[in-house]
Amino acid sequence: DADVTQTPRNRITKTGKRIMLECSQTKGHDRMYWYRQDPGLGLRLIYYSFDVKDINKGEISDGYSVSRQAQAKFSLSLESAIPNQTALYFCATSGSTSGVAMNEQFFGPGTRLTVL
Amino acid sequence: RKEVEQDPGPFNVPEGATVAFNCTYSNSASQSFFWYRQDCRKEPKLLMSVYSSGNEDGRFTAQLNRASQYISLLIRDSKLSDSATYLCARMDSSYKLIFGSGTRLLVRP
Repeated sequence: DADVTQTPRNRITKTGKRIMLECSQTKGHDRMYWYRQDPGLGLRLIYYSFDVKDINKGEISDGYSVSRQAQAKFSLSLESAIPNQTALYFCATSGSTSGVAMNEQFFGPGTRLTVL
Repeated sequence: RKEVEQDPGPFNVPEGATVAFNCTYSNSASQSFFWYRQDCRKEPKLLMSVYSSGNEDGRFTAQLNRASQYISLLIRDSKLSDSATYLCARMDSSYKLIFGSGTRLLVRP
């Protein structure tokens, strides 16, 4: 079984709709991240969380919100989707081990979101 | 200047060749760096972490040049299966990763 899972894997929605992307992990990691990837722009950080009660904005948080419901779950919401939020979204986790390796991030399989 | 810059490529090399990519970064305080491999429409997968001057794993060698602020990835004896996009990342002071846009490698028969 995959250590980091994302649902849904693909989603097509319409402008103005609310949508939630979910991420779960069985790695026992404390830290979780949401990224989006666009062609030519690489991975950009949306939000991140280092603990259940910790939420931090990343580089491009406008138009998004997150919820860390438990150590193993981190969800990303688009309150009112718009076409330029069409992208590939990745969840990542890190931090179960001590030392420098705790900074290594491991990614889920991604969610391909299309906003029409 | 972008925080982490990579030549987008593509680097087109024959099987068996040695190929190297560079990744430059703008923050001299960066301590930790990572190379990820990403296949088309798939998630990035950690290839190598670099915390000191370099790291080696089989055919893959990463070297860090702090004076010139770049990190390189060398792939020896290229295989067809090495064809992918290689992402470089540095860790910032808040333990976040800053990614480059990636370098595409094509290994031909």
